[in-house]
Amino acid sequence: GAGVSQSPSNKVTEKGKDVELRCDPISGHTALYWYRQSLGQGLEFLIYFQGNSAPDKSGLPSDRFSAERTGGSVSTLTIQRTQQEDSAVYLCASSPQTGLPSTEAFFGQGTRLTVV
Amino acid sequence: AQSVTQLDSQVPVFEEAPVELRCNYSSSVSVYLFWYVQYPNQGLQLLLKYLSGSTLVKGINGFEAEFNKSQTSFHLRKPSVHISDTAEYFCAVSPNNAGNMLTFGGGTRLMVKP
Repeated sequence: GAGVSQSPSNKVTEKGKDVELRCDPISGHTALYWYRQSLGQGLEFLIYFQGNSAPDKSGLPSDRFSAERTGGSVSTLTIQRTQQEDSAVYLCASSPQTGLPSTEAFFGQGTRLTVV
Repeated sequence: AQSVTQLDSQVPVFEEAPVELRCNYSSSVSVYLFWYVQYPNQGLQLLLKYLSGSTLVKGINGFEAEFNKSQTSFHLRKPSVHISDTAEYFCAVSPNNAGNMLTFGGGTRLMVKP
């Protein structure tokens, strides 16, 4: 596709349920990032995939959060046993294989998650 | 580790007036610097970036930013704003040895009034 695509665009779920958020990066981009945008918290890094390397999971806030990237393309962010504090906009970004100088990261429009 | 501080959470300004959105950062390594804009209900769009070279960087929509290493700042400016510039603006840094992993500031909401 022309840009980074995320689905669903909006998700309302009950507290305690699991949710899956999907990201389709730009074709050919090897790097993929997940960020969370919360009111009062700004943009928070969650996880980073680069090619076939082990992902950088240092930003995941708890073990209820996990992500995978299949075939070096589509990524799924899974939140188990959702809590109200998980309510946020989850943003995905991708970029071409990085080198020097740093290249631009392209963002999707996000998934707005509301936990009720 | 890196951190980014955007000193103003909201900046109201009248149309055609100049504006400056402030950004300061801290890092133990050299960084690249970015400004992103987020229009209502849209994703983030790159406005401009500083990688090296001239400290004055020009971006899209008439915005520019100046990198000041001694003050660890990267303030965003526009000499004359339009209603359409109303949006949230994010300053970000990435270490120059860690791909594009961005650390963002808290954002500044620019509100342009007629």
